[in-house]
Amino acid sequence: AQSVTQLGSHVSVSEGALVLLRCNYSSSVPPYLFWYVQYPNQGLQLLLKYTTGATLVKGINGFEAEFKKSETSFHLTKPSAHMSDAAEYFCAVSEASGGSNYKLTFGKGTLLTVNP
Amino acid sequence: KAGVTQTPRYLIKTRGQQVTLSCSPISGHRSVSWYQQTPGQGLQFLFEYFSETQRNKGNFPGRFSGRQFSNSRSEMNVSTLELGDSALYLCASSWGGLVSTDTQYFGPGTRLTVL
Repeated sequence: AQSVTQLGSHVSVSEGALVLLRCNYSSSVPPYLFWYVQYPNQGLQLLLKYTTGATLVKGINGFEAEFKKSETSFHLTKPSAHMSDAAEYFCAVSEASGGSNYKLTFGKGTLLTVNP
Repeated sequence: KAGVTQTPRYLIKTRGQQVTLSCSPISGHRSVSWYQQTPGQGLQFLFEYFSETQRNKGNFPGRFSGRQFSNSRSEMNVSTLELGDSALYLCASSWGGLVSTDTQYFGPGTRLTVL
């Protein structure tokens, strides 16, 4: 069964510093990979996704992620954190599970705090 | 284009009762997926409906069921509520659904509290 591991349930950075949120997955086939962001009392918003092709994916709000098959990783980065980036971030994997049954599996989430 | 809407936003029920949640997808989207979000278990996939048929299913008991109407609106029903069913229930819509690479758009969720 596929699984998603997000290292660090809470990451704290200073404004202007590099943001690095880690995600590793287990999958028997190349999956589709996603990063979502959730602001308080809101639903999830897609930041970026990897399906096929270029392994470096650029998303909204200056975020990007790189798919590394050999490391089964899909880490999310942003060069310079902004106060508005404070939110919870979820990595997710989509693949067929048990034949043709597809599902989206989420990591436990990483709460990002940005300090002034 | 209007986003995904969910009603009601907040709901309080007691153990043993049943509840129905509603999700209206973005116009033109044929797929609606449901998720349960709790502090302990995180985000878990319940099921996906596509063109009025349940196409994919997660690992939840039969107390959790759903349906989709011809206008793609979807309802989720939970019968015989348990305390552990307290959660934020999110729905997401897309044109092609989970078997595609289409982006899923999430609604704001329904916060269910079971007393």
